Amino acid sequence: GAVVSQHPSRVICKSGTSVKIECRSLDFQATTMFWYRQFPKKSLMLMATSNEGSKATYEQGVEKDKFLINHASLTLSTLTVTSAHPEDSSFYICSAADRGGEKLFFGSGTQLSVL
Amino acid sequence: AQKVTQAQTEISVVEKEDVTLDCVYETRDTTYYLFWYKQPPSGELVFLIRRNSFDEQNEISGRYSWNFQKSTSSFNFTITASQVVDSAVYFCALSEHGNNRLAFGKGNQVVVIP
Repeated sequence: GAVVSQHPSRVICKSGTSVKIECRSLDFQATTMFWYRQFPKKSLMLMATSNEGSKATYEQGVEKDKFLINHASLTLSTLTVTSAHPEDSSFYICSAADRGGEKLFFGSGTQLSVL
Repeated sequence: AQKVTQAQTEISVVEKEDVTLDCVYETRDTTYYLFWYKQPPSGELVFLIRRNSFDEQNEISGRYSWNFQKSTSSFNFTITASQVVDSAVYFCALSEHGNNRLAFGKGNQVVVIP
């Protein structure tokens, strides 16, 4: 079946640095990808919708300048956490829908730890 | 307002017992999709089922079964004869308009005791 690859699976960084997370659809084209955030023992919260070739749509309360999303191709969306702080430490997971929107696949997630 | 409610936070069962996870949703749309995902300790989300709002048939897949009742806005999930490998967090989710933007419930932590 279709696979969504997310990289890196785990990253530790110093406060103030920026971290880029990649989400790739491996065998299908995804015009739309989604980014979620999950705090420990909590639910997943939708952060933004990544649209190929256009600006991302952010959910209320999500800082777009803090969480930069780029969807430059039909198979790749990136989330950059800029000037990361300890409160940004979380599990980030992406999902991608195929062109017809019939199938939705999740990446394996990225655990970000900011020291 | 929260659109998906999973009231039970943690459920412990002894192996081979059945466990039912409740999911109540809220939407104004007539077209929507409901999902169940399993999240093991490794973190990835394992797809279990996707059901559209026009299909109220119950479904059985191995030891898993789902009961969809629009009248009560519920989409409950039952694991029959639970096994230790079923220990995980299970999320119910809703997508309105079929846009694949998922609203997740808080999840049910299932612990199967051997």
